[in-house]
Amino acid sequence: RKEVEQDPGPFNVPEGATVAFNCTYSNSASQSFFWYRQDCRKEPKLLMSVYSSGNEDGRFTAQLNRASQYISLLIRDSKLSDSATYLCVVNILTSGGGADGLTFGKGTHLIIQP
Amino acid sequence: DGGITQSPKYLFRKEGQNVTLSCEQNLNHDAMYWYRQDPGQGLRLIYYSQIVNDFQKGDIAEGYSVSREKKESFPLTVTSAQKNPTAFYLCASSITHTLNEQFFGPGTRLTVL
Repeated sequence: RKEVEQDPGPFNVPEGATVAFNCTYSNSASQSFFWYRQDCRKEPKLLMSVYSSGNEDGRFTAQLNRASQYISLLIRDSKLSDSATYLCVVNILTSGGGADGLTFGKGTHLIIQP
Repeated sequence: DGGITQSPKYLFRKEGQNVTLSCEQNLNHDAMYWYRQDPGQGLRLIYYSQIVNDFQKGDIAEGYSVSREKKESFPLTVTSAQKNPTAFYLCASSITHTLNEQFFGPGTRLTVL
């Protein structure tokens, strides 16, 4: 089973709509979760961290479901500028169970249509 | 301004040549990383360094080498042993290796002619 899995899309969504996508992770002991945004031919940029209590930043809401081992990203009132690839990121664990670095999902491609 | 810089932005290399990609950060981060991204694909970890004078192989280290002589700098050498080096190379850093988010430089796009 892959450590981090995302639906690659593309998700084609009309401007102004609400869109949500999930990401599943394999290790129940993972402790850090993030969403990154990557524009075409650019570097990934941190969008938001995902806390156990959820996290909201303007039109963006991220949630963590530990029981089902997934995180979600909700975008409300989508803008043309939201078109990008969204990467789910989870920390990985060593064989001893300690925290290690981050593993990146392959991303979900979002296209906002006018 | 604090951040991560990579140079050059575009690099062309002839087959059989070694080439070194630069990565510098002034964020005072302990950990630094090199990733490779191929078109339409995810990030793959080449090497990482948790602290000065230490580095570890990632998932695809063959054909690459690194050094970490200074906290601010983590250069990557793509050797002639790397069979398919054409890709987008991204450098990142984080406060520490565990748990913290990573911040990326703008990347170097390497093309082998």
